[in-house]
Amino acid sequence: DIQMTQSPSSLSASVGDRVTITCRASQGIRNDLGWYQQKPGKAPKRLIYAASSLQSGVPSRFSGSGSGTEFTLTISSLQPEDFATYYCLQHNSYPPVFGPGTKVDIK
Amino acid sequence: EVQLVESGGGLVQPGGSLRLSCAASGFTFSSYWMSWVRQAPGKGLEWVANIKQDGSEKYYVDSVKGRFTISRDNAKNSLYLQMNSLRAEDTAVYYCARDDRYFDWLLDYWGQGTLVTVSS
Repeated sequence: DIQMTQSPSSLSASVGDRVTITCRASQGIRNDLGWYQQKPGKAPKRLIYAASSLQSGVPSRFSGSGSGTEFTLTISSLQPEDFATYYCLQHNSYPPVFGPGTKVDIK
Repeated sequence: EVQLVESGGGLVQPGGSLRLSCAASGFTFSSYWMSWVRQAPGKGLEWVANIKQDGSEKYYVDSVKGRFTISRDNAKNSLYLQMNSLRAEDTAVYYCARDDRYFDWLLDYWGQGTLVTVSS
């Protein structure tokens, strides 16, 4: 199975900060990666698919990049509603595997 | 609007069984692969199983093979997860999710989840 790691596991940031989260795959997965946001007690919501394509309705301050084994999710200017946990998902091959998550909280 | 509503969770003893249901609306259910994903309390997300549009193909994560069965009823727009021989480590919120139409193994919409607690 492909293994996924994320860094950092958590971060504290202020409103307006630029935030970058990294996801790494144990082997190349082309651009077969999605990013999800989850708030406490809520279902995950997809933000990015195909590594860099923005899901319809998601604010443009979210962006994704990368291919192969290293990927990033960037929030250009953190907003109060962005405090949440973020997960990457590799969907290159069975079984699909999520990263362990990155919790973004208020500094 | 895509809606996925899970039900059937609850408290069950180790070794017991439970059947989860997911009612889908707002899209053509029979045109999509569907998945179950779980999240243990305070932990990350784990994909559990998925099923092809007509039910002819099913895939499972290794930890549930032989114990869980995914199924669907397209006439009722419903997805199911039959869980047998339950273990404490199966305790989690179980989410029903729709597979992306264009990308294998990628999920787009999720339900709100149903909690399964395995404990004596």
